[in-house]
Parts: sequence; structure tokens; C-alpha cells
Amino acid sequence: GNSVTQMEGPVTLSEEAFLTINCTYTATGYPSLFWYVQYPGEGLQLLLKATKADDKGSNKGFEATYRKETTSFHLEKGSVQVSDSAVYFCALSEESSGSARQLTFGSGTQLTVLP
Amino acid sequence: GAVVSQHPSWVICKSGTSVKIECRSLDFQATTMFWYRQFPKQSLMLMATSNEGSKATYEQGVEKDKFLINHASLTLSTLTVTSAHPEDSSFYICSARSPLAGRVSEQYFGPGTRLTVT
Repeated sequence: GNSVTQMEGPVTLSEEAFLTINCTYTATGYPSLFWYVQYPGEGLQLLLKATKADDKGSNKGFEATYRKETTSFHLEKGSVQVSDSAVYFCALSEESSGSARQLTFGSGTQLTVLP
Repeated sequence: GAVVSQHPSWVICKSGTSVKIECRSLDFQATTMFWYRQFPKQSLMLMATSNEGSKATYEQGVEKDKFLINHASLTLSTLTVTSAHPEDSSFYICSARSPLAGRVSEQYFGPGTRLTVT
């Protein structure tokens, strides 16, 4: 079956530091890969996605590249801000036998950015 | 962007009672809604997939008679936890899928409902 393994947190960084959150996956086919972010008290929001190998997803300064050879989708940001403090989830979606594309999530990584 | 709401945001109930949680898509029609359960510091675990007008599809290990799901309209799905027990205490999250032709359709998540069973 499908699975997502995510770097355990919590991660605490100073403002303007470089961020990497590791994510690796196991899938039977060719999944789409996602990063979701959950700010305190809010629902999950899609941060970025990539649908095929070597694709790079990017949004709000965050980037992740779909690496099929290493089955990875690591999240990076060059300079984090206090407002980036949140929980980050890596996820994959693979077409199922039905029409719905189900998401498989990693365990989430809590990021705290200190001023 | 698409907004999904959940009600209530938190609920405390006594063991043996039933609790209903609502999930609404506020500005789009959702043919499919998903219900997840999240334990502290753990992944979101898919419980069931709910299609409007048909029976929900439950994941292995999820009791259909305990977690009743109704998707009566394109904007509303409900999850009823029947005869709740303390082990049902958890964070329940719904998401709604917006079918966009030609794109990897996205799921939009509600803010979650914290259930505590005493």
C-alpha cells in the first residue's frame, strides 16, 4: 500500500533560517505529491503540489521537487518567517479504482519560527 | 478560495450518547467528501469516502454502524458517532473535493472537530 514518511518534529528555527522538511513515499504507481499546511486553529491548506517526476512545486517561497529516483518530496524555504509557524503535512494521491483520489498523509511536522 | 466549514468545532459528550458533526462546502458543490481522524502527533487517517446520494465507502477497520455518514446534498455531509466511548475521543476532519475537469482535483479541508467523550 501507499505510505508517506515525514521528518519528525518539532522543528524550531530562527527567523531567516533555511528550512528543510524531509518527506519520502512508497507508492505502487505514479502518485501526485502534495504539501499541506495547517495554521493554528485552521484547516489544512494546500501549499504546493507536483504531479510527475522532476516537477517542482512552489508557493510563498516554499519549494519541493518530485524525485522519483529517491522517492522523495522534501520541502524547502530559503528564509523562514515567524508567520510560517504551522504544522506541515506531506501527502500523496494515487488514482484508485473508483473516481475519488484519496490522500495518504505523513504524520506532520510542527515548525516554530522564533523572532 | 473554496471554504469548508465544520460544526461544532469542539464537543464534549458522555459515554453512550451520540454526536453529529456537520461538514459543509460553503461556496462550491462537492460531489465527494472525505472524513479523517487525527490522533495527537499522528497522521490524518482516512475513515470513509462519502459520495452525494450514495452510501459511504469505509476504510478497513472503520465500523460502519458506529460512524454513520450521510451525504444528503452537494454541500453537506454529516458524521454521527453513535454510542460514543472514551476511545472515540479524537480530532475529526472533513474535506470536500471540487471536481475540476482536466486538473488534479484538490481537496479543501475543514478546521476539524475536537470530540471528547467522558
